[in-house]
Amino acid sequence: SYVLTQPPSVSVAPGQTARITCGGNNIGSKSVHWYQQKPGQAPVLVVYDDSDRPSGIPERFSGSNSGNTATLTISRVEAGDEADYYCQVWDSSSDHPGVVFGGGTKLTVL
Amino acid sequence: QVQLVQSGAEVKKPGASVKVSCKASGYTFTSYYMHWVRQAPGQGLEWMGIINPSGGSTSYAQKFQGRVTMTRDTSTSTVYMELSSLRSEDTAVYYCARVPIVVAAFDIWGQGTMVTVSS
Repeated sequence: SYVLTQPPSVSVAPGQTARITCGGNNIGSKSVHWYQQKPGQAPVLVVYDDSDRPSGIPERFSGSNSGNTATLTISRVEAGDEADYYCQVWDSSSDHPGVVFGGGTKLTVL
Repeated sequence: QVQLVQSGAEVKKPGASVKVSCKASGYTFTSYYMHWVRQAPGQGLEWMGIINPSGGSTSYAQKFQGRVTMTRDTSTSTVYMELSSLRSEDTAVYYCARVPIVVAAFDIWGQGTMVTVSS
């Protein structure tokens, strides 16, 4: 089955740039979606189809995807960005197509 | 506004079944697929399966095949997820989330339903 690998944690100071990676075999050929989840809340979509932002999501959130790595970039990080972030793809390559999530990355704002 | 409202928390004994509902409003119910995702305490997101509210067709993650059943009621714009033969490892928050097409991102999520399995 398809596996997405994320770093367990990323730390960044306020105002700096956070980059959260999502690794997968030839992930560049798939559409990658990113979710933000704060404690006790449902996930919220922040980037879809590699690099598009839903309405209401700040321009500080951006995404890229190439080769074996997709990246969520958060510019000018704020305290309110502290959360868990998950990447997600639809895997149609196996005998059992379905949704695959990365393990999640905890973003800590120092 | 578009929203998905789920049923309340449940406490079940091992071996029992649980049925969680997800009521959609603010959009055309049959125009969006619905996924179910769960999250054990302190853990990541785990996909369970998808239902097409239009025709009722389903596809389940291999891990849950034989234990999960997803259904829908178009008259009330509600989808259901029933999980049987519950064990302690099924203790989790269960979410419904909609997509316009199967491979798209989950743009709207339900608030989640806590299911606790304990003797």
